[in-house]
Amino acid sequence: GQNIDQPTEMTATEGAIVQINCTYQTSGFNGLFWYQQHAGEAPTFLSYNVLDGLEEKGRFSSFLSRSKGYSYLLLKELQMKDSASYLCAVSLRNDYKLSFGAGTTVTVRA
Amino acid sequence: DGGITQSPKYLFRKEGQNVTLSCEQNLNHDAMYWYRQDPGQGLRLIYYSQIVNDFQKGDIAEGYSVSREKKESFPLTVTSAQKNPTAFYLCASSIDRAASYTFGSGTRLTVV
Repeated sequence: GQNIDQPTEMTATEGAIVQINCTYQTSGFNGLFWYQQHAGEAPTFLSYNVLDGLEEKGRFSSFLSRSKGYSYLLLKELQMKDSASYLCAVSLRNDYKLSFGAGTTVTVRA
Repeated sequence: DGGITQSPKYLFRKEGQNVTLSCEQNLNHDAMYWYRQDPGQGLRLIYYSQIVNDFQKGDIAEGYSVSREKKESFPLTVTSAQKNPTAFYLCASSIDRAASYTFGSGTRLTVV
């Protein structure tokens, strides 16, 4: 199986920046997804990294280091609506299914 | 609009009864998945199907069964053999390997 670790909870202030780390140990790594999930709702796609480096998409950026088994999701200019759980998920070569981390609950305070 | 539909949103069942959760997609995706989510835990894979008439067990398949008779449909049956069935169930689909999932809105099952 895969070991995917991310912090359980993080709290930040509106307008600030938060970085959510995800580490993984797996063989046959292909790529890494980040999803956002509001309470009681379905996860929605945020980003997908296959190559090393930073991918920027508006207020959200995602970084991947394949050699270190490490990724982070950076949320800038935090808004109250960003309060949610953020899921890190790993895909493997020659495999359809994703393996998910336990998720990081981010609380944005005024 | 294309999407993936789960029904019902909330489901209550008595202990010992089998129950079937519906999942339908009109995205023309080949692959479909069922995950279970418990409070404070990540998504755990129950079953997945890469193509019609074929499916594989995930990490926690015991007490569950599925069928994939049509490309659009992937129903999940929670049997009485599942010891702790109360959970949030998510269905997803993807067009192929390494593609992002599209999730349904989920079914919250409560067994009393």
